[in-house]
Amino acid sequence: GENVEQHPSTLSVQEGDSAVIKCTYSDSASNYFPWYKQELGKRPQLIIDIRSNVGEKKDQRIAVTLNKTAKHFSLHITETQPEDSAVYFCAASKGGNMLTFGGGTRLMVKP
Amino acid sequence: DAGITQSPRHKVTETGTPVTLRCHQTENHRYMYWYRQDPGHGLRLIHYSYGVKDTDKGEVSDGYSVSRSKTEDFLLTLESATSSQTSVYFCASSDAGLPQYFGPGTRLTVL
Repeated sequence: GENVEQHPSTLSVQEGDSAVIKCTYSDSASNYFPWYKQELGKRPQLIIDIRSNVGEKKDQRIAVTLNKTAKHFSLHITETQPEDSAVYFCAASKGGNMLTFGGGTRLMVKP
Repeated sequence: DAGITQSPRHKVTETGTPVTLRCHQTENHRYMYWYRQDPGHGLRLIHYSYGVKDTDKGEVSDGYSVSRSKTEDFLLTLESATSSQTSVYFCASSDAGLPQYFGPGTRLTVL
């Protein structure tokens, strides 16, 4: 089955800096890649997703890039703010309805 | 948040007792899912449903059963709870399978 690895497990940045979280997946048939943000004690919330026919997608300060050849995708957050502090999860799907999640990255933005 | 609620939100039970968690959605979504979240493991799929009375196993289904008698309700049952089932359980739903939207979670402690 699909395996998704996420790095780093923790990331600390200064407010205003950029943050990058990377995920690799094992199944070349995967074609949908969402990112979820989970604040402490809250539900995971979808923040951005990308499909394999697109190489990059942006939404304000966040962007996701996909490299199908290398089987990895990344989340980029620019101009980080304290409210960006959370755990971020990547996931991959072969397009049915099954998602395989990475282990999560705890992002800490220091004011 | 896709109008998803979970009940109870917290539960403490003893080893060997049966436990049922409920997920309710008001979006008329066809697909519903149960995940468990444990430190370092991200979210792992337990069972999912693709319609009323239509369910299938996920990655970590041993010890769990599910039922879906109405579109809006998806029940997760632990027939005989064990300490290894102490976790946070999230329900999710989706109209077309992807993307998935999560409920607020249920924290289950098995003593």
